[in-house]
Amino acid sequence: VQLVESGGGLVKPGGSLRLSCVASGVTFTNVWMSWVRQAPGKGLEWVGRIKSTSDGGTRDYAAPVKGRFTISRDDSKNTVYLQMNSLKTEDTAVYFCATESAAGLINYFYYMDVWGKGTTVTVSS
Amino acid sequence: DIQMTQSPSSLSASVGDRVTITCRASQNIYNYVNWYQQKPGRAPKFLIYGATSLQRGVPSRFGGSGSGTDFTLTISSLQPEDFATYYCQQSFKTPYTFGQGTKLEIK
Repeated sequence: VQLVESGGGLVKPGGSLRLSCVASGVTFTNVWMSWVRQAPGKGLEWVGRIKSTSDGGTRDYAAPVKGRFTISRDDSKNTVYLQMNSLKTEDTAVYFCATESAAGLINYFYYMDVWGKGTTVTVSS
Repeated sequence: DIQMTQSPSSLSASVGDRVTITCRASQNIYNYVNWYQQKPGRAPKFLIYGATSLQRGVPSRFGGSGSGTDFTLTISSLQPEDFATYYCQQSFKTPYTFGQGTKLEIK
């Protein structure tokens, strides 16, 4: 399984950017996908997730991005997107996409097992 | 949101040492904890899920324990490639949250 992010770059505060993450080596229609970011010199921060289409395609977001960021997917292209609007300087980070898998029989344990290398977003005037 | 607090924030150790990293959740999360390793400039690597289950291919010197609010990651005999930053993450409910990280350095 391989994930490749793209779309990062320099954008002014208030601007927009769309990140893409293309998956290969996996049956993408069955995969839940997450986005995680890491500000310079800081720790990991979960951004949001989209379930597989067969599981309803439900989306969840972290509070700092809710209402500004939108995750979507195109199963025909094995791609998940992160549309980022109303960008703030504090959104500056490396953005990783990751597959979210599950293990278990009755209770499922979810975890992010395959990660892309990340794409850098810089929000600055 | 569930807060995850790791300790220590940094740790110096030698090759061959046994080290333990602690993670505390702000509420009961049963055993819904994952652990990741990250090296500088690299993506995180998934190590452990469900507090104790090792991902395939992860060396057996890595081990996880705990339930409820207190969890630990133990490396039984440090190898040179283990010097990195380690993160815990709760998967009990969204929004998922990570600990702030523990940087493991060579003494």
